[in-house]
Amino acid sequence: GENVEQHPSTLSVQEGDSAVIKCTYSDSASNYFPWYKQELGKGPQLIIDIRSNVGEKKDQRIAVTLNKTAKHFSLHITETQPEDSAVYFCAAINAGGTSYGKLTFGQGTILTVHP
Amino acid sequence: DADVTQTPRNRITKTGKRIMLECSQTKGHDRMYWYRQDPGLGLRLIYYSFDVKDINKGEISDGYSVSRQAQAKFSLSLESAIPNQTALYFCATSDLRGTHSTGELFFGEGSRLTVL
Repeated sequence: GENVEQHPSTLSVQEGDSAVIKCTYSDSASNYFPWYKQELGKGPQLIIDIRSNVGEKKDQRIAVTLNKTAKHFSLHITETQPEDSAVYFCAAINAGGTSYGKLTFGQGTILTVHP
Repeated sequence: DADVTQTPRNRITKTGKRIMLECSQTKGHDRMYWYRQDPGLGLRLIYYSFDVKDINKGEISDGYSVSRQAQAKFSLSLESAIPNQTALYFCATSDLRGTHSTGELFFGEGSRLTVL
């Protein structure tokens, strides 16, 4: 099955700095890579995703990049704000395979943005 | 009201007790999931159900059972709770209709279980 490794486990930045979280996956058949944000006391919520036919995707201050050859993908947050403080999870799935609908998650990154 | 509702939100129990965590959803999704969250381990799938008559084990199903009472209801049971089942439990739903759907997960707010 799929295995997703996420780094770092904790990340502390100053407001306005950039933050980068990296994930690697093991199954070359994985073709869909979402990122979830979990705020304190809440369930995770999808913030951005990328499919394997795209190398980069941006949505305002967040972006995700994918390197299929190296089997890794990253979340980039620019101009960080205190409200970006949360736990971030990467995930991977072969959206057309037998594991359809079952995401494999990374271990999570606790991001703290200091004012 | 939340689209995915979990009850209870917090529960403290003793070793050996039977515990049930309940999940109900108003999203009309066919697929429901139970995940467990532990620090440093991310979210791990316990059980999932693709429709009312379909129940499947996830990666960490030992010690747990589930029941899909209706399309909107999916409960998780711990028949005899043990301390290492202390964790934050999440119910989630997804809708995989459409050939390009990837099944975004919609999570409840979690049920924190402590087993003493």
